Amino acid sequence: KQEVTQIPAALSVPEGENLVLNCSFTDSAIYNLQWFRQDPGKGLTSLLLIQSSQREQTSGRLNASLDKSSGRSTLYIAASQPGDSATYLCAVGRTSGGGADGLTFGKGTHLIIQP
Amino acid sequence: NAGVTQTPKFRVLKTGQSMTLLCAQDMNHEYMYWYRQDPGMGLRLIHYSVGEGTTAKGEVPDGYNVSRLKKQNFLLGLESAAPSQTSVYFCASSYTGGLTEAFFGQGTRLTVV
Repeated sequence: KQEVTQIPAALSVPEGENLVLNCSFTDSAIYNLQWFRQDPGKGLTSLLLIQSSQREQTSGRLNASLDKSSGRSTLYIAASQPGDSATYLCAVGRTSGGGADGLTFGKGTHLIIQP
Repeated sequence: NAGVTQTPKFRVLKTGQSMTLLCAQDMNHEYMYWYRQDPGMGLRLIHYSVGEGTTAKGEVPDGYNVSRLKKQNFLLGLESAAPSQTSVYFCASSYTGGLTEAFFGQGTRLTVV
C-alpha cells in the first residue's frame, strides 16, 4: 500500500526566505505527483503536476522536483510572501490505474510566513 | 465558469439518517472522485468514476454509495449515517485522469450526531 509522508508537518519562516517542503512515497511505481495548496476552510488548488517521466516543473516562484527512484519530491518556494501561508499537500497517482483511480495524499505541511 | 461545485456546504445529521451530497462540474471532465478529509488522516478516496455510468470503490467505500447518471454530476449517498462519517467531503474532477491536474470543490462539512 502506497504511503506518502510530508516533512515537516509545520513550518514558520520570515517573509522573503526561500524554503523547501519535502514529500516521500513508499512505492516508486507512480503515474504522477501533484502538489496542492489548501487554505483554511477551503478546497484544494493544484499548484504543480509532474508526470512520472519528468524531473521537475516550475510555475512562477514555485519549483517541484521528482526523484522517482528514491521516492522523493520537493517543493521549492522562492522569496516567500505572507500570502503563501497555507497547508501544502503532496499526492501521487498509481501507475496500475493509469493515474485515473485517484490520488494518495500526504498529511500536509502547514506553512506560516511571518510578515 | 464555476468549476467544481458541491452541495450542500454544511449539514448536520442524526445517526441513522440518510442524505445525498451532490457534485457538479462544468468542465466536461470524464473522471470524478469523492474524498474525505479527517484530522490526522489526510484525504482518503471513497469512490470514483471514470465516465458516465461507471463507478468504482476507493480506499474507504464502506457506508457510502455513488451514482454517475450524468457526466457532469457525481452523487455520494449515505444510507444510514454514523458518527464515524463526520468529516469534510471533497469532490474532484479531472479531464484525462492522471495526465491532467485535478480540480477540487470547496468541500462539504458533515457532522453526524
